[in-house]
Amino acid sequence: SQQGEEDPQALSIQEGENATMNCSYKTSINNLQWYRQNSGRGLVHLILIRSNEREKHSGRLRVTLDTSKKSSSLLITASRAADTASYFCVSPAGGTSYGKLTFGQGTILTVHP
Amino acid sequence: ETGVTQTPRHLVMGMTNKKSLKCEQHLGHNAMYWYKQSAKKPLELMFVYSLEERVENNSVPSRFSPECPNSSHLFLHLHTLQPEDSALYLCASSQDRGALEQYFGPGTRLTVT
Repeated sequence: SQQGEEDPQALSIQEGENATMNCSYKTSINNLQWYRQNSGRGLVHLILIRSNEREKHSGRLRVTLDTSKKSSSLLITASRAADTASYFCVSPAGGTSYGKLTFGQGTILTVHP
Repeated sequence: ETGVTQTPRHLVMGMTNKKSLKCEQHLGHNAMYWYKQSAKKPLELMFVYSLEERVENNSVPSRFSPECPNSSHLFLHLHTLQPEDSALYLCASSQDRGALEQYFGPGTRLTVT
């Protein structure tokens, strides 16, 4: 079953603007990850946030986690055309599915130069 | 790109053909995965191998047959496929089955005619 659901499904912005993507999940988690996928290519791990963390930064990326609302957000500041990609929030499937990750449908981000 | 390579990158095959997808990881990881990514659907986990042993088969039809001869190589043998099997097939690896971060290959774009 689908654990994470990203919102919006698509986002179009101008270079230099900030992009915010949200993710909601259903079951309790001990960590959540964000991945990026350039068109038709493999996924690249961006950042991981653990359940005892509320916010984490990596370069131009800022991730927040609200376990009470079962939601997370990814903020990309000062966006660039090269940030154009699909972004997925990923959480462990949990239960007996040890090591299994569950992906959402992703947010398609387009950054116009 | 990320230490995980996949060949071929593109494959067109008829429904009666037999072909194989290959994945190789150069990261010294112990777990490897096959995923299927279809249009408009979340990434689906197909198989998980840990130390060359299949530990998860996610209700995948028998026309897909995985093989893991050693911890660096993973194959997906295809036979008698259907047009709905057309998708991007992604291979990934992780340090071990419980590792949080997975490293993805660029994928094989498969078209079944």
